[in-house]
Amino acid sequence: NAGVTQTPKFQVLKTGQSMTLQCAQDMNHEYMSWYRQDPGMGLRLIHYSVGAGITDQGEVPNGYNVSRSTTEDFPLRLLSAAPSQTSVYFCASSYAGATNEKLFFGSGTQLSVL
Amino acid sequence: GQNIDQPTEMTATEGAIVQINCTYQTSGFNGLFWYQQHAGEAPTFLSYNVLDGLEEKGRFSSFLSRSKGYSYLLLKELQMKDSASYLCVLRPQTGANNLFFGTGTRLTVIP
Repeated sequence: NAGVTQTPKFQVLKTGQSMTLQCAQDMNHEYMSWYRQDPGMGLRLIHYSVGAGITDQGEVPNGYNVSRSTTEDFPLRLLSAAPSQTSVYFCASSYAGATNEKLFFGSGTQLSVL
Repeated sequence: GQNIDQPTEMTATEGAIVQINCTYQTSGFNGLFWYQQHAGEAPTFLSYNVLDGLEEKGRFSSFLSRSKGYSYLLLKELQMKDSASYLCVLRPQTGANNLFFGTGTRLTVIP
């Protein structure tokens, strides 16, 4: 069972470039989300989805777009990369509904924007 | 909104017991999680509390007092592999499984 697969593991961009971080899960989870983790801060929610065709903004959505065309995939797009987007990005998924549902995380993407 | 306070760093000796405290303020409460995160890796689930009291799972236990806005994670018989960051995490709302993460406590286990 692959779980949550996130690619790439590392990426370097120049300011203004665009790119897509891929996330796929094979656990039939309804809920998927993207977090970023910066030094000295907790993980912060960027965007989330509770099912195919449904997305919503989290705490820090500016500069990012998402889509959820299938249950399995939830890509994160950086439209015009900025140095402030240098961070570690995690995709996470879970079943929806019950309050005790734990998140399963991908292995993370270390992104540097120069 | 939400706020979580936990110590930034702790050091403990192999074989000992360590308690990592977490205090929180939240406008809505649907549970408190503890996650473990080794350096350079993704967080992994350790425990979940929604009612007051102690939840025990092997060497790890987690306690919650909702009236005090307080939780702790207790690690017994510390092993070197327990060196990691421990994240106190709130689930503030029903519906979407959006979580609010604390900054984490980096635990170093020394021989």
